Amino acid sequence: GESVGLHLPTLSVQEGDNSIINCAYSNSASDYFIWYKQESGKGPQFIIDIRSNMDKRQGQRVTVLLNKTVKHLSLQIAATQPGDSAVYFCAETKGGGSYIPTFGRGTSLIVHP
Amino acid sequence: ETGVTQSPTHLIKTRGQQVTLRCSSQSGHNTVSWYQQALGQGPQFIFQYYREEENGRGNFPPRFSGLQFPNYSSELNVNALELDDSALYLCASSLKGAATEAFFGQGTRLTVV
Repeated sequence: GESVGLHLPTLSVQEGDNSIINCAYSNSASDYFIWYKQESGKGPQFIIDIRSNMDKRQGQRVTVLLNKTVKHLSLQIAATQPGDSAVYFCAETKGGGSYIPTFGRGTSLIVHP
Repeated sequence: ETGVTQSPTHLIKTRGQQVTLRCSSQSGHNTVSWYQQALGQGPQFIFQYYREEENGRGNFPPRFSGLQFPNYSSELNVNALELDDSALYLCASSLKGAATEAFFGQGTRLTVV
């Protein structure tokens, strides 16, 4: 069946370091992969997405890498800041005008000053 | 802030009761999705509404029902509440057929006792 999962439940880094959050998926038919950030007491916030026909996409301080061969997705955060501390979710969805993402469990990122 | 507002923010109900949660979507967004997020888990898709019609449903029983109004606001109704219904309920608005970027509200924390 479809599943989206994460390798590590918690990631601790020092301020200024680069962070890498990993995600495995199993649905080869997904068209989009999305990363969300969820701070305590708030709803998920869109960070970046990537289409299945791409292998890399960059945003502001973030880069998403997609490896379809091994069904792996990663989010890289450059120069991690204390404000980046949150739970990060990857999600996958089909396209075609329908956006119904399947979320993974999440990785908690803790940034130490 | 995302422009998506949910009410109430917290709610305590007794097992067997019924509850209605409300969501006002971001201006211009015509699609509303509802998610259930248990503690320590990723959001699970309940259903999606587009132009007042259900546009997809997750693996939730019929006692979970919804409505979307002409102004695109939405309600989630849950009948015969069970203890396991205790969770954060999230609403997300988006444009159908547009990008994967959905905007989430802050959620309603429902506790069933």
